Amino acid sequence: DAKTTQPPSMDCAEGRAANLPCNHSTISGNEYVYWYRQIHSQGPQYIIHGLKNNETNEMASLIITEDRKSSTLILPHATLRDTAVYYCIVRGINTNAGKSTFGDGTTLTVKP
Amino acid sequence: NAGVTQTPKFQVLKTGQSMTLQCAQDMNHNSMYWYRQDPGMGLRLIYYSASEGTTDKGEVPNGYNVSRLNKREFSLRLESAAPSQTSVYFCASRDPTSYNEQFFGPGTRLTVL
Repeated sequence: DAKTTQPPSMDCAEGRAANLPCNHSTISGNEYVYWYRQIHSQGPQYIIHGLKNNETNEMASLIITEDRKSSTLILPHATLRDTAVYYCIVRGINTNAGKSTFGDGTTLTVKP
Repeated sequence: NAGVTQTPKFQVLKTGQSMTLQCAQDMNHNSMYWYRQDPGMGLRLIYYSASEGTTDKGEVPNGYNVSRLNKREFSLRLESAAPSQTSVYFCASRDPTSYNEQFFGPGTRLTVL
């Protein structure tokens, strides 16, 4: 799995968009970008994933650059409950794929 | 459908004691994982099992053993606990039919005195 680099922390005002960047310059062609978040020491929760096209679901949007070397998770209207650690990971789609490693993530603090 | 369950939720051990952390999933997932998370840090992979009957080391396997008892259950054993193993332990399983999304358990908070 390719390594990822994320800023250790970010702040965002409540109601504004939170844009969380992730660099994955060694990503290979068959690897997807996944985002998870961890709220207050609970188990991490899946948010969204993508290969090369932008993706959107009820929680967030994922923008992947054309060269796929970086991506941005967008929370369009951040709330206080979005305060969490956000993890960007890259891994291939393989039914019996093994390792799945997480880095230290970005701690997002949403402020009133 | 309980998802991923872990027992116990909390545990205090003395140095040198042994214990087994239990994990079970009812989603028919092939892959299962054990992570540890130290205060203020990210998740580090201890061991994983790509399928029933197989296990492999992750990033930090020293001091741990695992058993993939069947497709549902994946246990983590500390043979001789050390204070450095004080951490929160998360078990996860992976869905082979949904772009390999991972599901996590609630965690076991372990303190070794």
